[in-house]
Amino acid sequence: QVQLKESGPGLVQPSQTLSLTCTVAGFSLTSYNVHWVRQPPGKGLEWMGVIWNTGGTRYNSALKSRLSISKDTSKSQVFLKMNSLQTEDTATYYCARDPPLGPDYWGQGVMVTVSS
Amino acid sequence: DIQMTQSPASLSASLEEIVTITCQASQDIGNYLSWYQQKLGKSPQLLIHSATSLADGVPSRFSGSRSGTQYSLKINRLQVEDTGIYYCLQHYSAPWTFGGGTKLELK
Repeated sequence: QVQLKESGPGLVQPSQTLSLTCTVAGFSLTSYNVHWVRQPPGKGLEWMGVIWNTGGTRYNSALKSRLSISKDTSKSQVFLKMNSLQTEDTATYYCARDPPLGPDYWGQGVMVTVSS
Repeated sequence: DIQMTQSPASLSASLEEIVTITCQASQDIGNYLSWYQQKLGKSPQLLIHSATSLADGVPSRFSGSRSGTQYSLKINRLQVEDTGIYYCLQHYSAPWTFGGGTKLELK
């Protein structure tokens, strides 16, 4: 059964670094790409970046200077790190599997609030 | 960046009605277009991939079509469980971009 689950702190202080983990099951990270997508409260979806099955990455240029995506294939985990957080980074963060035909399975999301 | 202009932003329709939502791409994206449904507090669910292919387990009343750079999601015979917000996504080139969303409610 394909599953993705995001985990991380619910609250981050401004200017600090966000670290999220996406733990997957039911498929291998060597065969599928994984994307990160975020959604501010009451707003639409924003693509953040992808880690390809080969390990390469691609980021949204608007976030590129602050964002890093990596993975540990043996642990079936994908990691997101984003620094210099501001209040506008408050959002639900999702990871999603990509076959690649566009993301098919999504995690439940993790809500991150940036506040002092 | 490729812009995806989705319309309408909101829509109120009756049970059993036919509903159409469209996304206009700012340039050619081929068939690299997916449609998602999102219910309140839940993650997006894939409905259509490759512009016209129904995802596994999705009711056949949902269908996707393409005309040039305009993409459409059609819901035949709207059901109660079809309410929610619908998004298109282009994954032709990075950065991938979503449409702004269509909020579908029952009249």
